[in-house]
Amino acid sequence: DAGVTQSPTHLIKTRGQQVTLRCSPKSGHDTVSWYQQALGQGPQFIFQYYEEEERQRGNFPDRFSGHQFPNYSSELNVNALLLGDSALYLCASSLAMIGGFSGANVLTFGAGSRLTVL
Amino acid sequence: AQSVTQLGSHVSVSEGALVLLRCNYSSSVPPYLFWYVQYPNQGLQLLLKYTSAATLVKGINGFEAEFKKSETSFHLTKPSAHMSDAAEYFCAVSGAGGSNYKLTFGKGTLLTVNP
Repeated sequence: DAGVTQSPTHLIKTRGQQVTLRCSPKSGHDTVSWYQQALGQGPQFIFQYYEEEERQRGNFPDRFSGHQFPNYSSELNVNALLLGDSALYLCASSLAMIGGFSGANVLTFGAGSRLTVL
Repeated sequence: AQSVTQLGSHVSVSEGALVLLRCNYSSSVPPYLFWYVQYPNQGLQLLLKYTSAATLVKGINGFEAEFKKSETSFHLTKPSAHMSDAAEYFCAVSGAGGSNYKLTFGKGTLLTVNP
């Protein structure tokens, strides 16, 4: 049973460029969340996608956008890259519960995409 | 609003010694609490979770945590450390629903196990 897969694993960009990160959720999962983990910090919630819509967003600027496809896979796009965007970007998938989302849902995390902005 | 404070960014123990990683939370709603472990170059793996059932929660690899509402704590323990336990550990909190279901993580505690 494949878990969450992310690509690419590593990438280097320069300031001002744009980047797209991809995520395939665990089989059977329909909800994808993205987290940013800066060096020495805990992961921070960026946004969550369910039924191809952004359902909740953390404290990140509009430069961060996403998409979810009918097969539940997802992309994270970051425009106008800044040095401070250098981080490990984690994708996590889960299964939405009947009646809505629950904080008790267990997230399955991928290994992440490490972005370096020069 | 929810937040997590992990006391001690780095904990070092000897193999066979007790492991204690501290976590305090703040939540305006009844919380769900989690401990995740992250090995180098890997994603986060769930160790255990508290969802308002038993206050003592047992997880994988011999870890357990106790929810103490009066102390707003959810400390992680393991009676005897193994070399393979060396990793970074994250405590996280979420709420019961509404806008609170996202995970809020602490800054992590790096566990070193000495032979």
